[in-house]
Amino acid sequence: AQKITQTQPGMFVQEKEAVTLDCTYDTSDPSYGLFWYKQPSSGEMIFLIYQGSYDQQNATEGRYSLNFQKARKSANLVISASQLGDSAMYFCAMRQPRGYSTLTFGKGTMLLVSP
Amino acid sequence: DTGVSQNPRHKITKRGQNVTFRCDPISEHNRLYWYRQTLGQGPEFLTYFQNEAQLEKSRLLSDRFSAERPKGSFSTLEIQRTEQGDSAMYLCASSLTKVKETQYFGPGTRLLVL
Repeated sequence: AQKITQTQPGMFVQEKEAVTLDCTYDTSDPSYGLFWYKQPSSGEMIFLIYQGSYDQQNATEGRYSLNFQKARKSANLVISASQLGDSAMYFCAMRQPRGYSTLTFGKGTMLLVSP
Repeated sequence: DTGVSQNPRHKITKRGQNVTFRCDPISEHNRLYWYRQTLGQGPEFLTYFQNEAQLEKSRLLSDRFSAERPKGSFSTLEIQRTEQGDSAMYLCASSLTKVKETQYFGPGTRLLVL
């Protein structure tokens, strides 16, 4: 069974600093996709970044980058130049091609950005 | 380009009542998912539609839950004889069949069962 682990319940960072949110995963399938979502207090899950298991390069989307270490089965999210609006819950999720592409989520990390 | 919409955004009901939630996916998306999220947890998969066909249901989806997507567009999730344990955020997501197949989520419906 696939599993996502986020070991940091909460993280603090000062505005303009970079922060890394950890995510490890467990799967026996060689083909999978990894996602990061942001959930502000309003509740909506906002897609941030995607990494495919066969992608040669780490994914980047603006201030977000994914530190993908396949051998370690980790997919850490790096947010550069944190902003106050980055304060939210962050979820790591995995999709496998078998079945119907449903997502398995971790428990999330609460990020608080201070001025 | 409108995103996924869900109605209502909030619902308070008494135990034993029936409730129905609606999800309107992104218009060209053929796949639709329902998830449930309880406090302090990540979303958990409930059920999945490809067009109008319900292709997968989680074990979380008890007999009191039913979902439909009659014309392959909007979907409804009904909970009959609600219980306090049904209190949660119900999230809908949609995607288009392609390589990344990113799921885009709606704002969710917060259910409180008294």
